[in-house]
Amino acid sequence: GAVVSQHPSWVICKSGTSVKIECRSLDFQATTMFWYRQFPKQSLMLMATSNEGSKATYEQGVEKDKFLINHASLTLSTLTVTSAHPEDSSFYICSARVTTTGELFFGEGSRLTVL
Amino acid sequence: TQLLEQSPQFLSIQEGENLTVYCNSSSVFSSLQWYRQEPGEGPVLLVTVVTGGEVKKLKRLTFQFGDARKDSSLHITAAQPGDTGLYLCAGAEYGGGADGLTFGKGTHLIIQP
Repeated sequence: GAVVSQHPSWVICKSGTSVKIECRSLDFQATTMFWYRQFPKQSLMLMATSNEGSKATYEQGVEKDKFLINHASLTLSTLTVTSAHPEDSSFYICSARVTTTGELFFGEGSRLTVL
Repeated sequence: TQLLEQSPQFLSIQEGENLTVYCNSSSVFSSLQWYRQEPGEGPVLLVTVVTGGEVKKLKRLTFQFGDARKDSSLHITAAQPGDTGLYLCAGAEYGGGADGLTFGKGTHLIIQP
């Protein structure tokens, strides 16, 4: 299957700092990528849709100024958690859609811990 | 808003036993995907079922899509500790999220040796 890579796998930061997470499609181009948040023992919650070359579309209740998304190329989307606070601690996952099949492939996830 | 009811939510069984996970909805999906997620990792696609009544097998895992494309099941035969994980079903299109998917809440499966 297609490969989607996330970096970093885990990050610990101090409250008030910003953290950037990268999502790359390694063997295919993805005009659309998605960012999710997952709380312990729960399913994935879609946060936003990342569109190459245009603004991201955020789901209701997700602060766009808090979670900055940039999709500068067909293989890379980034999520920046700005002025992070402990309540932002979570597992963040990205996915990318294979244009030809419509299937989604997920990254390995990034564990964010804000102290 | 489409909903996918996944059951059971938690399941702990002994190695060698069989089990079935169900994914049900009142809505029709164009396709349905099953994922397995291990702790600290992203979901990994297991299978996509597209045709009503379709049955797909992946070693000891058997996936079935309902005739009306509203429900699906995952059956594991002779479960192994390596099958432990979170199993997610996700229905595609027809009012799903922006990613085109409606996710079930997941089934946490633990296979005890």
